[in-house]
Amino acid sequence: SAVISQKPSRDICQRGTSLTIQCQVDSQVTMMFWYRQQPGQSLTLIATANQGSEATYESGFVIDKFPISRPNLTFSTLTVSNMSPEDSSIYLCSVLSAGGMETQYFGPGTRLLVL
Amino acid sequence: GQSLEQPSEVTAVEGAIVQINCTYQTSGFYGLSWYQQHDGGAPTFLSYNALDGLEETGRFSSFLSRSDSYGYLLLQELQMKDSASYFCAVKGSGNTGKLIFGQGTTLQVKP
Repeated sequence: SAVISQKPSRDICQRGTSLTIQCQVDSQVTMMFWYRQQPGQSLTLIATANQGSEATYESGFVIDKFPISRPNLTFSTLTVSNMSPEDSSIYLCSVLSAGGMETQYFGPGTRLLVL
Repeated sequence: GQSLEQPSEVTAVEGAIVQINCTYQTSGFYGLSWYQQHDGGAPTFLSYNALDGLEETGRFSSFLSRSDSYGYLLLQELQMKDSASYFCAVKGSGNTGKLIFGQGTTLQVKP
């Protein structure tokens, strides 16, 4: 299994500002993902964080709004830029299990409230 | 595109058995997973089915029928701590590892 930590665990931000969320894994992993979960909703994939190259974004998400870094195999950041109240959500990073593609492990999430 | 359907809410009593269904539409199929999420917590992996049939893990079992594009999660001997949201998920196209989640089923276990 993988142990994942995220910082910050929660934050309250003003509209128009940006917040960078950090995700740290206790082992090297190939694939790392960022998801968004709006209150009472399901998880929506934002992007796949690729080590050494640009992230791969899902439809409806763009790099200018959600820039992602992946400097090594244990760490990634997601920035929520120029925030609006609609960005209020839980942001989760996840990684694939080392043995295969069957299991994803999720971090505890970052609860963001934009005023 | 890909979509999954599951009931939004299920209620059952302690000690009972409950089944949460999931139907899916995908372009290419690489397996059906189930995740549990308690309120305020992170999703945790429960089970994965790549082939037809039943997979059993303790009180939880998961079933898949690829011909019917259908699966279910079976929870036996329900306990109060099983009250949570349950999500079915399929891998994204191209078997890249990313997951597409259903809308989730909120299970409420009553005494």
